[in-house]
Amino acid sequence: DGGITQSPKYLFRKEGQNVTLSCEQNLNHDAMYWYRQDPGQGLRLIYYSQIVNDFQKGDIAEGYSVSREKKESFPLTVTSAQKNPTAFYLCATTGTSGGAGDGELFFGEGSRLTVL
Amino acid sequence: SQKIEQNSEALNIQEGKTATLTCNYTNYSPAYLQWYRQDPGRGPVFLLLIRENEKEKRKERLKVTFDTTLKQSLFHITASQPADSATYLCASAGNSGYSTLTFGKGTMLLVSP
Repeated sequence: DGGITQSPKYLFRKEGQNVTLSCEQNLNHDAMYWYRQDPGQGLRLIYYSQIVNDFQKGDIAEGYSVSREKKESFPLTVTSAQKNPTAFYLCATTGTSGGAGDGELFFGEGSRLTVL
Repeated sequence: SQKIEQNSEALNIQEGKTATLTCNYTNYSPAYLQWYRQDPGRGPVFLLLIRENEKEKRKERLKVTFDTTLKQSLFHITASQPADSATYLCASAGNSGYSTLTFGKGTMLLVSP
């Protein structure tokens, strides 16, 4: 089945701990994105990567880090420097050469992070 | 800075009626707008993309318009059904450039039987 797999679906973290969210895709898409969604808020872009071994900061990158060592994988680490990490995190990909502006984004099912 | 805005109030309509959702943009001229559907606790699902020179686009019961004069896109669902109840998001080119999307906050649609 082609798609995007995010894990874990639910995650609890104590303050001060780093946590890594997984995003794996088998769509053979070049571009991958991480968005954060808070209640009553739109999706906000954290990081994105258009090609392996390269990534760029989005609008709210502070307190987060990513890597893109393989085309299929784009993990997001929420570090202890992120002041308000409790949120719903969404990974997305697009296969269009123009990036997200040229065609649809495919989203995973999301990971809900709660800081205790 | 560029903004993309949707009515934050939920839209309640009766089954069979046409739902119309609004997306307004300011301080930029997007070459396209996209519309997504999001169910609670799920990732958004792409519905339609409309380019600035297309004015109107249809897909089954869905219709999207793009008015560059009013700086607005309208999203219509005709013959609405309770299964259409969801949050609908509009999106356009992000602040980080053409390769990213910026999303509106979404409008919740509730269709009553």
